[in-house]
Amino acid sequence: EADIYQTPRYLVIGTGKKITLECSQTMGHDKMYWYQQDPGMELHLIHYSYGVNSTEKGDLSSESTVSRIRTEHFPLTLESARPSHTSQYLCASSDFPVEYGYTFGSGTRLTVV
Amino acid sequence: GQNIDQPTEMTATEGAIVQINCTYQTSGFNGLFWYQQHAGEAPTFLSYNVLDGLEEKGRFSSFLSRSKGYSYLLLKELQMKDSASYLCAVNNAGNMLTFGGGTRLMVKP
Repeated sequence: EADIYQTPRYLVIGTGKKITLECSQTMGHDKMYWYQQDPGMELHLIHYSYGVNSTEKGDLSSESTVSRIRTEHFPLTLESARPSHTSQYLCASSDFPVEYGYTFGSGTRLTVV
Repeated sequence: GQNIDQPTEMTATEGAIVQINCTYQTSGFNGLFWYQQHAGEAPTFLSYNVLDGLEEKGRFSSFLSRSKGYSYLLLKELQMKDSASYLCAVNNAGNMLTFGGGTRLMVKP
């Protein structure tokens, strides 16, 4: 039984569409993260949150936005999808301080055509 | 700055032992993690070291030397299912994980 859920698992969408990738966790973790990862490549942090109403940009510049209105929910939105956004998006959460590492969701594989 | 280095790719034979090295230079250190990631899947936790020495967990062991900024992951009795990427990650001063680029391990029969 997964403790962190991402939906959808796969998404194919047309250029210019607005999309929201969902991420929810049931562990009560304060910190949550979004990573972008191309196949066979390294993880790139694009957004993170320390808790409700807290969001920060990560190391990799991204055209996406995030919100954290509830502890368990950390959705990522692309206002206008482009083919360059095609990638895998991984959501993760952790305690603070990070003593037990991150727990990752199964990811959303996004293809923009 | 943050810098974590690990080999890009390694190949080993089924039943053998392989050691994946990781060197790091980070602002602060609060522990080192190893994750396994199969192609197209999410990373899963393998091990955690915060003190110097060897941590053993079944076929997998992880070693840490904080003075040398060095860790390794040791995989024994390799199986085909061990073919995956192995990510080294350091918990830095900001209590966030900095990930290395990952080592892609291919296990051959």
